[in-house]
Amino acid sequence: QLQLNESGPGLVKPSETLSLTCSVSGGSTSSNLYYWAWIRQPPGRGLEWIGVIYYIGTTYYNPSLKSRVTISVDTSKNHFSLRLTSVSAADTAVYYCARVPYSSGWYGWLDLWGQGTLVTISS
Amino acid sequence: SYVLTQPPSVSVAPGQTARITCGGNNIGSQSVHWYQQKPGQAPVVVVHDDRDRPSGIPERFSGSNSGNTATLTISRVEAGDEADYYCQVWDPSSDHVLFGGGTKLTVL
Repeated sequence: QLQLNESGPGLVKPSETLSLTCSVSGGSTSSNLYYWAWIRQPPGRGLEWIGVIYYIGTTYYNPSLKSRVTISVDTSKNHFSLRLTSVSAADTAVYYCARVPYSSGWYGWLDLWGQGTLVTISS
Repeated sequence: SYVLTQPPSVSVAPGQTARITCGGNNIGSQSVHWYQQKPGQAPVVVVHDDRDRPSGIPERFSGSNSGNTATLTISRVEAGDEADYYCQVWDPSSDHVLFGGGTKLTVL
């Protein structure tokens, strides 16, 4: 049973860089059958799609975050990562990693999610 | 920019049918996916590509999509269906993946 698990600092200072990792167990990030995605949810609010990556490194990002976001994949460690630069309080959210079936397209449905990790932006 | 509109809340009595809508300009030309999110939990897909149910999702959950409105229908609603529901689409004109604002389903 494939599982996704987010990890990283729970507290980041304003203007610094948020970095999270999603570890994949029971499956492989080098699979050509899936994209790997990041989504976030501010407390008490709705979902926001951040971006996705394919195992060969192809990425697609939310246009509103594109200038600050980098998603990368390390198939040797079987994980993928999110970097968000110049963060502010507006970036406080639960960050989820998830999987997208390749057959649905990079913009497709998210068939498996991690449990999420809360990142608070505060000094 | 493309906007998805969901009602903030829907209430229904147990055993009745709940219909949650997702409005968008010509949304019928796009594939719509629906997620259920219970408090403190990650979202779970209940319908994808307008009307397809993943394995393990009850037949009570169904979807439709036409014109400017997509609809998630939950038949024979149970207390355990109480959750937030989100629609998701891709806007090809902006290459942007969007979620609706979410609908809180209350089972009376």
